[in-house]
Amino acid sequence: GNSVTQMEGPVTLSEEAFLTINCTYTATGYPSLFWYVQYPGEGLQLLLKATKADDKGSNKGFEATYRKETTSFHLEKGSVQVSDSAVYFCALRPGAQKLVFGQGTRLTINP
Amino acid sequence: ETGVTQSPTHLIKTRGQQVTLRCSSQSGHNTVSWYQQALGQGPQFIFQYYREEENGRGNFPPRFSGLQFPNYSSELNVNALELDDSALYLCASSLVVAGGPLFTDTQYFGPGTRLTVL
Repeated sequence: GNSVTQMEGPVTLSEEAFLTINCTYTATGYPSLFWYVQYPGEGLQLLLKATKADDKGSNKGFEATYRKETTSFHLEKGSVQVSDSAVYFCALRPGAQKLVFGQGTRLTINP
Repeated sequence: ETGVTQSPTHLIKTRGQQVTLRCSSQSGHNTVSWYQQALGQGPQFIFQYYREEENGRGNFPPRFSGLQFPNYSSELNVNALELDDSALYLCASSLVVAGGPLFTDTQYFGPGTRLTVL
């Protein structure tokens, strides 16, 4: 079946640190991959996406590369800010209607 | 461009009652998907509506039902509420192009409705 596994949180970093949040997936076929972010008390916001192998999605300093050989879509940012504190969700769309989400990773950035 | 809106923001019900949640899709979008997000978990797909018909359903019982209206807005109805139905209910809209593949373009989410069942 289709599933997404994210690194367990919570993750706590200092401002300007390098961020990696791991995401691996299991899917049949060639899914599209997404990262969504959820700020406290809010819904999900699309952060970035990639639709085929070797695509790199990027937005607001965040990047993730679709790696078919390792079935991964790790999220990275070179220098995090306090305002990046949120819950991050990796998701795949397996060619059907729905999104399949990971369990989320809570990120806290300390000044 | 108007984003996805949901109402109400918060709702408290008791076990056995019925509830209706509402969603207005983003301008230009014709498809609405509903998700349930339990506390500390990722969202789970409930169902999707396209052209006023259900177009895919997740592993939820029939007491979860929905509607889509000609203006593409949507309702989620839950009958016989159970304590485990307490969650954040998220609506997402997207655009499906007629004649294209019947899977959705990028989904954009509303702020959600927080349902508490006592």
